[in-house]
Amino acid sequence: ETGVTQSPTHLIKTRGQQVTLRCSSQSGHNTVSWYQQALGQGPQFIFQYYREEENGRGNFPPRFSGLQFPNYSSELNVNALELDDSALYLCASKGQGYTDTQYFGPGTRLTVL
Amino acid sequence: GENVEQHPSTLSVQEGDSAVIKCTYSDSASNYFPWYKQELGKGPQLIIDIRSNVGEKKDQRIAVTLNKTAKHFSLHITETQPEDSAVYFCAATSSGYSTLTFGKGTMLLVSP
Repeated sequence: ETGVTQSPTHLIKTRGQQVTLRCSSQSGHNTVSWYQQALGQGPQFIFQYYREEENGRGNFPPRFSGLQFPNYSSELNVNALELDDSALYLCASKGQGYTDTQYFGPGTRLTVL
Repeated sequence: GENVEQHPSTLSVQEGDSAVIKCTYSDSASNYFPWYKQELGKGPQLIIDIRSNVGEKKDQRIAVTLNKTAKHFSLHITETQPEDSAVYFCAATSSGYSTLTFGKGTMLLVSP
């Protein structure tokens, strides 16, 4: 186990709704990244938060937004859900200092109907 | 941006055989290459990584090789066991950044 936790485990929403996913990073990790993994594909980078600020973003529209809190936990918010948003959403945390190793949580499976 | 190609998409071996998964990357600035194992219903688990100043790294039955000139790196698993069955992903990034670019994955099936 990596120490990265995510909630909820599964979620079912309908098109047009909004969703919030949560992530608790590994103890001592101050950088959190979010990835979207469609079925049968590799994870795709959504954005990264470092010390409560977004400091990197992938090719995702603005309706994907996030937050990082002082305890380094994080939220991913998706507005106006579309069917194609159905995927496994993964959170990964990285330690302080010069390190590249990212540790992933178990993910949240989002289904949009 | 970075593009990572991974082959094969599926790989079936007998227990005890070796398995090799290959990846190529496009961005010459990439210098950190992790490999993740993902079991059904779980998040990716880091199994080994390599930096561009090293050509090979081993950890028990797992090894990774890197050819910077050709921009490709490979995962080698020896003496495979049924519990090695999973989807394996290669990834690449520039050191200091968190944007991992992943390959599409290889489903490894090890038959007893």
